[in-house]
Amino acid sequence: EAQVTQNPRYLITVTGKKLTVTCSQNMNHEYMSWYRQDPGLGLRQIYYSMNVEVTDKGDVPEGYKVSRKEKRNFPLILESPSPNQTSLYFCASSAFDRDEQYFGPGTRLTVT
Amino acid sequence: GIQVEQSPPDLILQEGANSTLRCNFSDSVNNLQWFHQNPWGQLINLFYIPSGTKQNGRLSATTVATERYSLLYISSSQTTDSGVYFCAVEDEGNKLVFGAGTILRVKS
Repeated sequence: EAQVTQNPRYLITVTGKKLTVTCSQNMNHEYMSWYRQDPGLGLRQIYYSMNVEVTDKGDVPEGYKVSRKEKRNFPLILESPSPNQTSLYFCASSAFDRDEQYFGPGTRLTVT
Repeated sequence: GIQVEQSPPDLILQEGANSTLRCNFSDSVNNLQWFHQNPWGQLINLFYIPSGTKQNGRLSATTVATERYSLLYISSSQTTDSGVYFCAVEDEGNKLVFGAGTILRVKS
């Protein structure tokens, strides 16, 4: 089954404790991206990657890091999480020739 | 940057009714997509439609790129259609920009 998976689905952590949210897709897609969704602000892009070893900033990259060492994986790293990073996070992927984005199930992160 | 405006912000329908959701964008785009976010938070791609018209069951979408708008039609609405509908366009930097969404509630 074609899908985008994220782990963990729910996470409660404390300020400053480094964490990684994993994202994996099995569709051989070139393009992957991370979004955060906040009430009243909608979905905003954090980072995206157009292929292995190619990443670029989205609209709200501050406080986040990403890497793309393999085509299928695109982890999101919060080196020192802060309460303002409490949000619902989505990973997405697409193939360039079709451009339809497929979203993972979301990760609800709470930073206290 | 590109602006995406959706209307109406909220919509309540009786089951079986039809509706039209609108998305206006401020610049020419190569990529426009409609998504549905169900009450459990899952985002589902409905249409990839930078121009023209597409239909999928009770849903159809039309994008008039020259006039910078897209419409999503829902016919014979069902309670499972409830959720938030997002329009998203790709800006010149390959970033996908989302509208604020239309919250749809279908009552039985």
